[in-house]
Amino acid sequence: DVQMTQSPYNLAASPGESVSINCKASKSISKYLAWYQQKPGKANKLLIYDGSTLQSGIPSRFSGSGSGTDFTLTIRSLEPEDFGLYYCQQHNEYPYTFGAGTKLELK
Amino acid sequence: EVQLVESGGGLVQPGRSLKLSCAASGFTFSNYYMAWVRQAPKKGLEWVATISTSGSRTYYPDSVKGRFTISRDNAKSSLYLQMNSLKSEDTATYYCARHRGYGSWYFDFWGPGTMVTVSS
Repeated sequence: DVQMTQSPYNLAASPGESVSINCKASKSISKYLAWYQQKPGKANKLLIYDGSTLQSGIPSRFSGSGSGTDFTLTIRSLEPEDFGLYYCQQHNEYPYTFGAGTKLELK
Repeated sequence: EVQLVESGGGLVQPGRSLKLSCAASGFTFSNYYMAWVRQAPKKGLEWVATISTSGSRTYYPDSVKGRFTISRDNAKSSLYLQMNSLKSEDTATYYCARHRGYGSWYFDFWGPGTMVTVSS
């Protein structure tokens, strides 16, 4: 199975700042990585797929980059609603595995 | 508006069975692959099962293969997960999710989840 390692585990930032969350695959997954946001009481939200394609309706302050084994989710100019958990998921090969998550907290 | 609403969770003893349901609305259910994804308490997400549009093809990770069965009723816009021989490690919130499109193994809409606790 492809192991997905996210870093950092926790991240504290203030509104207006920019942050990056990393995801590393144990083997090459080409460009096939998705990012999700999870918040209490809300449905999980798809942010990015195919490494860098923004899902419809997602603000442009979210961006994804990377290929092969190393990927990054960048959020520019943090808004209050951006705080929560973020997960990466490889969608290149069976079984389709997720990272352990990164908690983005308000500083 | 796409809506997915799970039901059927609860407390069940190890070795017993439970069937989850997911009611879908706001889209043409029969056109989409559907999936179940779970999340153990304070843990990450784990893909559990996927079913093709017609229901003829199903996919599972080794952790649940042979114990879980995904199915669907396109006439009722409903998705199901039959879970047999449950173990304590199956304790999790189970989410119904829609594959974004044909051939895409990621999920664009999720339900709020239903909690399953396996304990004696």
